[in-house]
Amino acid sequence: NAGVTQTPKFQVLKTGQSMTLQCAQDMNHEYMSWYRQDPGMGLRLIHYSVGAGITDQGEVPNGYNVSRSTTEDFPLRLLSAAPSQTSVYFCASSSLGQGYYNEQFFGPGTRLTVL
Amino acid sequence: AQSVTQLGSHVSVSEGALVLLRCNYSSSVPPYLFWYVQYPNQGLQLLLKYTSAATLVKGINGFEAEFKKSETSFHLTKPSAHMSDAAEYFCAVSDGQAGTALIFGKGTTLSVSS
Repeated sequence: NAGVTQTPKFQVLKTGQSMTLQCAQDMNHEYMSWYRQDPGMGLRLIHYSVGAGITDQGEVPNGYNVSRSTTEDFPLRLLSAAPSQTSVYFCASSSLGQGYYNEQFFGPGTRLTVL
Repeated sequence: AQSVTQLGSHVSVSEGALVLLRCNYSSSVPPYLFWYVQYPNQGLQLLLKYTSAATLVKGINGFEAEFKKSETSFHLTKPSAHMSDAAEYFCAVSDGQAGTALIFGKGTTLSVSS
């Protein structure tokens, strides 16, 4: 199993550009989520999904869109990038079989810089 | 809303010394608590989790944590530090109202000197 994969690893954007961060998992997990990590801030939840066709907002959703058309994929879209979105983005997935204490598996991250 | 506070953004120990990383939580319901480790330029890896089955939880790489309800704490310890333990450590609580969404502390960077 590849686990959770993210592409690209690095990306530089100009203010106002749009892009999609890709996330895929091959563990048949129902739950997927996106976090951003900033120095001294820990990880903050952006959006999450409990299954195909179901998404919801986390702590810091503004400026980001998500969709979940398949169990495997959970892309994160930046419609108009801003310098404040410079961060490292992590995708994570877990099963929902045991409720709230399942281990979340994290991808390797995407380092995004917005100029 | 649930939250976690990690005391000390940076902890330095000598190789072979005790490691103690502090985490306090705030929750109105029985919490589900986690410790994750992040090595440089990598994603997060689960060290251990508390799910109310036992107050002393043993994890990977010799780490353990004790849940103390009276102190609302879930501190991470390791009896003897190794150079390979140098990393950033995150305490997290599961927000039951948002499925399995995790609320993370700000992290503690552990440095180990020889």
